[in-house]
Amino acid sequence: DSGVTQTPKHLITATGQRVTLRCSPRSGDLSVYWYQQSLDQGLQFLIQYYNGEERAKGNILERFSAQQFPDLHSELNLSSLELGDSALYFCASSVISENTEAFFGQGTRLTVV
Amino acid sequence: QQQVKQSPQSLIVQKGGISIINCAYENTAFDYFPWYQQFPGKGPALLIAIRPDVSEKKEGRFTISFNKSAKQFSLHIMDSQPGDSATYFCAASAYSGAGSYQLTFGKGTKLSVIP
Repeated sequence: DSGVTQTPKHLITATGQRVTLRCSPRSGDLSVYWYQQSLDQGLQFLIQYYNGEERAKGNILERFSAQQFPDLHSELNLSSLELGDSALYFCASSVISENTEAFFGQGTRLTVV
Repeated sequence: QQQVKQSPQSLIVQKGGISIINCAYENTAFDYFPWYQQFPGKGPALLIAIRPDVSEKKEGRFTISFNKSAKQFSLHIMDSQPGDSATYFCAASAYSGAGSYQLTFGKGTKLSVIP
C-alpha cells in the first residue's frame, strides 16, 4: 500500500458528462501529481500541485482541470467527456527533493460510453 | 517536448535469464532517473533510481547502467523470475527547486518471465 488513496476505483459515464476524481496523498506529502495512462500513450503527466498551488503542467486538455485543497487532497475534474478520455487516471504524491520518489495510488479506471 | 524513449515494448525471458530494458533521453537537464514497476491493476511503484554522477547502481537483482554521454540508461534484471513479470517504466526528471517537479515516463516494457 503506497499510502495514496484514489476514489472511485471505477467510473463509467456517458459522453458529454463531467466527472470528478479524488486523491488523498500520503501523510506529509505536499505535492500531488495527476497522470493519464492509456494503452497507446503510456503514462502522460497532466498536472502537479504543491501545497495548494499549481506548479507544473503537462499534456492536460482544456476540458480537464484540477485543484488541491487546504487539507492537501486533490481533485481532477474531467468535463465534456469523449470516448478517447477512457483511461486509467493515477494520482501520485511526494515530498519535493532532488531525489523525489513519487508514490502512486491504485488509479481510477474511467470508461466513457 | 521532453521525451524518454523506451525499448523494447515487450520482452519474453526464460526463468533465470537476464532481462534488459533500454531508455534514451534528450533533455540534458534531466538529473534523476527512476525505474518503476507496475503490476496489473496496481499503480506504478519505484524499483530503483540513479543520478547521473554514477554509471551504475545495483540493488539486489536489479541494476541500472547509465551512460551520460550517450544519454542512455538501462535496467538489467538478473536471474529473472516469474514474479518479475510486470510492466517496467523508465522515467526522468529535472528538479527546479521551486516546488516544481515533472516526471516524464517512457512508454513501458511488458516483461514476461516464463518458467
